[in-house]
Amino acid sequence: KAGVTQTPRYLIKTRGQQVTLSCSPISGHRSVSWYQQTPGQGLQFLFEYFSETQRNKGNFPGRFSGRQFSNSRSEMNVSTLELGDSALYLCASSSPILRDGASYEQYFGPGTRLTVT
Amino acid sequence: SQQGEEDPQALSIQEGENATMNCSYKTSINNLQWYRQNSGRGLVHLILIRSNEREKHSGRLRVTLDTSKKSSSLLITASRAADTASYFCATGRSYNTDKLIFGTGTRLQVFP
Repeated sequence: KAGVTQTPRYLIKTRGQQVTLSCSPISGHRSVSWYQQTPGQGLQFLFEYFSETQRNKGNFPGRFSGRQFSNSRSEMNVSTLELGDSALYLCASSSPILRDGASYEQYFGPGTRLTVT
Repeated sequence: SQQGEEDPQALSIQEGENATMNCSYKTSINNLQWYRQNSGRGLVHLILIRSNEREKHSGRLRVTLDTSKKSSSLLITASRAADTASYFCATGRSYNTDKLIFGTGTRLQVFP
């Protein structure tokens, strides 16, 4: 089975621009979560999608948004980029099979490294 | 903000030695997971322990969980140079969500 894929892997943008990152989960996985990783704040939860619905959202400004498509692929968008948005953006998927109500292990993609200049 | 604090922040050992990392968290959980990250790449799931479990083993990994102290430890036995990475604990708190709260991480360096 192919793992979680993220595109692009590296991105350089200028302040004020917007960016769209893409994530393809493992086949059959319906839950996709996004995390931001920076040296200062560590790993921070952005949002989570399940069956095209946002199920949970972290404490980020409205410039950060996302969506999930019917094939479970997900995109996240950051508008009006700021220098502080420079980070590694990680996507993770999980399988709902055998779910007993508890969260399960996440399978992470390699990440998209965004640099804002 | 992050929920978990990990200790130590960095650990250097020789191959063959054991490495122990500790994680503390603040609120109730239904599971705790450990992940490894090699040099700014994606995270790899290592082991998951549920709140009603006290100890779990997987190969050279041993995880303990003490919910009364809100703490967990990860022991890697007989370390190898390939174990060099950052290790994160992450807590899952609620039903019907995969949201994880990550700790600050421990950077492990294993010298050959």
